[in-house]
Amino acid sequence: GESVGLHLPTLSVQEGDNSIINCAYSNSASDYFIWYKQESGKGPQFIIDIRSNMDKRQGQRVTVLLNKTVKHLSLQIAATQPGDSAVYFCAEILLSGGYQKVTFGTGTKLQVIP
Amino acid sequence: NAGVTQTPKFRVLKTGQSMTLLCAQDMNHEYMYWYRQDPGMGLRLIHYSVGEGTTAKGEVPDGYNVSRLKKQNFLLGLESAAPSQTSVYFCASSYSGHNEKLFFGSGTQLSVL
Repeated sequence: GESVGLHLPTLSVQEGDNSIINCAYSNSASDYFIWYKQESGKGPQFIIDIRSNMDKRQGQRVTVLLNKTVKHLSLQIAATQPGDSAVYFCAEILLSGGYQKVTFGTGTKLQVIP
Repeated sequence: NAGVTQTPKFRVLKTGQSMTLLCAQDMNHEYMYWYRQDPGMGLRLIHYSVGEGTTAKGEVPDGYNVSRLKKQNFLLGLESAAPSQTSVYFCASSYSGHNEKLFFGSGTQLSVL
């Protein structure tokens, strides 16, 4: 899994299998978390978010789990498809002085094997 | 609806040259941001703006200046480029600055020789 400051890890998954991407965040006071997807040569794109008062949130084929006890966030992608190949990174958001301070992880590269 | 548009997409500069990156958004967002992305590091905030006519420093502002003369545009300037500014630059916007997702442009690859 990813964390701020580590080199980019890679996860290789067979098409059709489920993918789990992990993220360790740093600030226990962070109150909002987002997963972004970044395809090669493109900007990051919002996938799913979760607020700190939730443990789980589901979207279309994606689920985000939040474990505040160990400051861990995960993204689960069901039935992974070739189009899911990209870098995924988490962002933790802390409201401070009326403004959101966003800290981005370094990312995990997902490779889908056809 | 184009979202967030950045120009140019690629640029090569020599050390000491200046340039301006342009960001435009058509979503009527109040907040705009400039980030840089370097290998092995997360996106780092350079400068941001909470509305037309306002700018503020982010995490790594040195060597950069910004202007937000119009709500839809956010310009990033490099007055005297240095090799350490070789990076991919992303502009982003959000409706507010409170627990809001960011909408990103497609990036500018800048190389400073």
